Amino acid sequence: QSALTQPRSVSGSPGQSVTISCTGTSSDVGGYKYVSWYQQHPGKAPKLMINDVSKRPSGVPDRFSGSKSGNTASLTISGLQAEDEADYYCCSYAGRYTFVFGTGTKVTVL
Amino acid sequence: EVQLVQSGAEVKKPGESLKISCKGSGYSFTSYWIGWVRQMPGKGLEWMAIIYGGDSDTKYSPSFQGQVTISADKSISTAYLQWSSLKASDTAMYYCARSDGVSTSDYWGQGTLVTVSS
Repeated sequence: QSALTQPRSVSGSPGQSVTISCTGTSSDVGGYKYVSWYQQHPGKAPKLMINDVSKRPSGVPDRFSGSKSGNTASLTISGLQAEDEADYYCCSYAGRYTFVFGTGTKVTVL
Repeated sequence: EVQLVQSGAEVKKPGESLKISCKGSGYSFTSYWIGWVRQMPGKGLEWMAIIYGGDSDTKYSPSFQGQVTISADKSISTAYLQWSSLKASDTAMYYCARSDGVSTSDYWGQGTLVTVSS
């Protein structure tokens, strides 16, 4: 199981949109509809932002959206806000009740 | 309210053993899995292993198989992560998280910082 590949960093100005990619293989991202995204602020535990590729848990702002095409999943943050500055990790089911995380992306709000 | 409360920070020497815990409340412990995640200093999240609260069925990442052992005591809704002989490279924050076993990890513990130093 190799970590899913994410860009090291992305940035945008307040109000802009940013998209984070998450590339895996047909054994994880491409093979299942179970990709989730987590937000982690410094010194805090991760927080679930998206599950099942594109579902938003209750309380997550609708400016966060997810999608998938083939072996690549994506998280889009529309209308970027200062509080969105954090690290973001994708995570995919990899079969037999195992999971694999992405390498992580630092989102900077300019 | 669903909560996962982890045991406190630990400072250990190389070669020592350690068992940290994660207590679930506010939900049926036996109907969910508990996963463990490592985050080394300044690094990303790594999925380690998962255990089913109902029957203690366990699954390990190949990277962590044989390096750690997970267990659970459903009578007290608590999952455990243990090492028999710690190494300096085990220094990290360890998180537990509730999972449905397939889709997602929706609730997370606050993390347990393990420091291994001579």
